[in-house]
Amino acid sequence: EADIYQTPRYLVIGTGKKITLECSQTMGHDKMYWYQQDPGMELHLIHYSYGVNSTEKGDLSSESTVSRIRTEHFPLTLESARPSHTSQYLCASSVGGLNYGYTFGSGTRLTVV
Amino acid sequence: RKEVEQDPGPFNVPEGATVAFNCTYSNSASQSFFWYRQDCRKEPKLLMSVYSSGNEDGRFTAQLNRASQYISLLIRDSKLSDSATYLCVARDGSSNTGKLIFGQGTTLQVKP
Repeated sequence: EADIYQTPRYLVIGTGKKITLECSQTMGHDKMYWYQQDPGMELHLIHYSYGVNSTEKGDLSSESTVSRIRTEHFPLTLESARPSHTSQYLCASSVGGLNYGYTFGSGTRLTVV
Repeated sequence: RKEVEQDPGPFNVPEGATVAFNCTYSNSASQSFFWYRQDCRKEPKLLMSVYSSGNEDGRFTAQLNRASQYISLLIRDSKLSDSATYLCVARDGSSNTGKLIFGQGTTLQVKP
């Protein structure tokens, strides 16, 4: 009964293509996040948003960009995919507040060939 | 030095064993803490929050020691289904962003 949805679940794409990874949540959360995670490795925050028209870069430099035009939607775009972008991308959202964690989507596993 | 540090393991234990994971955090201003569980190739899922007084949820017990900046997770009577990576998480208290800082995770393998 996921309340945060990511599409596609898997994506194999050629070098140089433009791609958009979709993330939507139905919980009305203001705060949303994008993480990148390689297999067996730790999570790296690449983008976050605290509300509509608010976006910030995370701790790990990324060539991707994000937008937040609607509360429920936080897409991530790569203008020109490269093999180095191959990774799992996880979207999360939070209601905010000290005692609340994040809810993660099921992720998009991206392979650039 | 990482803000949240964990022993990556793996911890290999037999079914029924009790296992404890430890975690340290470097920012004394961190205000809240969590344990997440992540199965292989899946998303992290919240296991439990960690409170100063310690808290228990079935076979799982979490403890926080603010003086030592140390968090622990105890799993009693381990099940095969407990095999996963356990992520220690601290909320960034040094700014008003309140972002969660994830440790690299500790891998647990429960063997029959």
